[in-house]
Amino acid sequence: GAGVSQSPSNKVTEKGKDVELRCDPISGHTALYWYRQSLGQGLEFLIYFQGNSAPDKSGLPSDRFSAERTGGSVSTLTIQRTQQEDSAVYLCASSLGTSPYNEQFFGPGTRLTVL
Amino acid sequence: DQQVKQNSPSLSVQEGRISILNCDYTNSMFDYFLWYKKYPAEGPTFLISISSIKDKNEDGRFTVFLNKSAKHLSLHIVPSQPGDSAVYFCAANVGQGAQKLVFGQGTRLTINP
Repeated sequence: GAGVSQSPSNKVTEKGKDVELRCDPISGHTALYWYRQSLGQGLEFLIYFQGNSAPDKSGLPSDRFSAERTGGSVSTLTIQRTQQEDSAVYLCASSLGTSPYNEQFFGPGTRLTVL
Repeated sequence: DQQVKQNSPSLSVQEGRISILNCDYTNSMFDYFLWYKKYPAEGPTFLISISSIKDKNEDGRFTVFLNKSAKHLSLHIVPSQPGDSAVYFCAANVGQGAQKLVFGQGTRLTINP
């Protein structure tokens, strides 16, 4: 299938280590979003990319979080010096554009556990 | 500050009956609302949406109702089927060309045979 894929599916790391999470959006989708879902919570917006525009980073919880999108396709979310509160499922989504009528298609997520 | 709230973490309904999932919001600037369905180990999938200019949208067994004065929306599933068992999230979008969705905490729906 040609859906959104994410890797790894699970990541266990030690507090203080850096992690990189990868997202491959649907081909041709110009918008890409990152969300996270902490235990018992809804999905929390982190960052989105639209084409060549500057990303909207307004949801990033701290400067330990960063993301990039190379060539308008693959995106990497990096968390530096991980903390236990970073443990969550990180979800990536892509859409044809950023109109409210453009459905966001989600990947299966990466479950991050910080020990 | 939880702008979108789903106060029922779980709901159990008998197969064939109506399932009603509720969602409340606080931000009057929200102008587009969506429901997503999520199975374990999968990402959420879009189910149905409604614009703030409408009060009802129907798609097959699924109907979403919006009460702007009460800042409340609900999802009705009728008749409920075992495959409807999943976690349902409501989400809201403030529009402005940026689809930054604000999600509720989710309601786990279980359909009993």
